[in-house]
Amino acid sequence: AQSVSQHNHHVILSEAASLELGCNYSYGGTVNLFWYVQYPGQHLQLLLKYFSGDPLVKGIKGFEAEFIKSKFSFNLRKPSVQWSDTAEYFCAVTRGSSNTGKLIFGQGTTLQVKP
Amino acid sequence: DTGVSQDPRHKITKRGQNVTFRCDPISEHNRLYWYRQTLGQGPEFLTYFQNEAQLEKSRLLSDRFSAERPKGSFSTLEIQRTEQGDSAMYLCASSENRAGVTQYFGPGTRLLVL
Repeated sequence: AQSVSQHNHHVILSEAASLELGCNYSYGGTVNLFWYVQYPGQHLQLLLKYFSGDPLVKGIKGFEAEFIKSKFSFNLRKPSVQWSDTAEYFCAVTRGSSNTGKLIFGQGTTLQVKP
Repeated sequence: DTGVSQDPRHKITKRGQNVTFRCDPISEHNRLYWYRQTLGQGPEFLTYFQNEAQLEKSRLLSDRFSAERPKGSFSTLEIQRTEQGDSAMYLCASSENRAGVTQYFGPGTRLLVL
């Protein structure tokens, strides 16, 4: 079965530190890749997505992610985190051939940024 | 606010009772999804509608669960004879009917079964 793995369950950083959250998926075909974020008390919202083209994707709030097909990875990065980035981050995948577009999520990474 | 809305936001019920949740998607979105999220986990797919047609159901969706989208607009998710294991956040999302599009999520309904 297709799965998504996020390696870091809980990350604690100080402001201005760099961030990289790992995400690997198990499906071998064409995929669409997403990072969603859930700020405290808010609903899931899209940070960025990869559909095709340039494997380096830029999203909102200074986040970016790189799709490396050979490694089945889609890691999220930010060069300098802020306290307001404290949130839960979810990597998700849809199969490119899927008629439904259902998302398969990783288990999430909780990011805590200390001021 | 033209986002996805869900009602109620919280529901506490006793084991064995039936509960129903409602989701109102973004108005021009044909696709509607239900997901379930338990503590410490990512959302898990439950079911998918394209307009009024329910086109996919997860094996997670036991026969106690039923979902409808009668006019292709709002959707309801009913859980009959609730069990403590049904306690979770139930999320609704909607999207346009194209590949690779963004799914927009509602705030969720948090269910607690006592």
